[in-house]
Amino acid sequence: DADVTQTPRNRITKTGKRIMLECSQTKGHDRMYWYRQDPGLGLRLIYYSFDVKDINKGEISDGYSVSRQAQAKFSLSLESAIPNQTALYFCATSDLKGQGKGQPQHFGDGTRLSIL
Amino acid sequence: ELKVEQNPLFLSMQEGKNYTIYCNYSTTSDRLYWYRQDPGKSLESLFVLLSNGAVKQEGRLMASLDTKARLSTLHITAAVHDLSATYFCAVDSPSGSRLTFGEGTQLTVNP
Repeated sequence: DADVTQTPRNRITKTGKRIMLECSQTKGHDRMYWYRQDPGLGLRLIYYSFDVKDINKGEISDGYSVSRQAQAKFSLSLESAIPNQTALYFCATSDLKGQGKGQPQHFGDGTRLSIL
Repeated sequence: ELKVEQNPLFLSMQEGKNYTIYCNYSTTSDRLYWYRQDPGKSLESLFVLLSNGAVKQEGRLMASLDTKARLSTLHITAAVHDLSATYFCAVDSPSGSRLTFGEGTQLTVNP
């Protein structure tokens, strides 16, 4: 079983719809992240959370919101989807103590989102 | 704002050849990561570089970090087709709270 699970894996929807992408992890990590990947732009950080009560905006948070329901769950919402939010979305996790020792972030398999 | 630039962005090379991918970044950091991504797949961690002069090697890949020059390199030795993928470098913020990724280098190794 994957340590970082994203659902759904693929989603096609229409402009204006509300969409939620979910991420759950079994690694016991305290930090969770949402990224967006577009061709030629690498990965860009949308939101990140260091614990249930800590939510931070990344570089491209406009049009998105998040919820950290539990240490293991971090969901990303698009309140009113628009076509330029079509992208591949990744959830990642890390551990504060491990990060101090240089452990990398661990990524889920991604959600491919298409907005028509 | 931390900026990370990779070059080249596209690299087509023959099997058996050597090449280097460069990762430059704009502000002080002493933690840099290299990831590999196969088409349609997730990101897989390759190397973690934690200090100036750090060098890590795994198979045909070797990564190094020069924090004074704000430069990391990923050197490919005697490339094989299985190395075809997109390679990303990512730099940790000075506070250690977030990564900034480069644009990625799409590597194609031809027989």
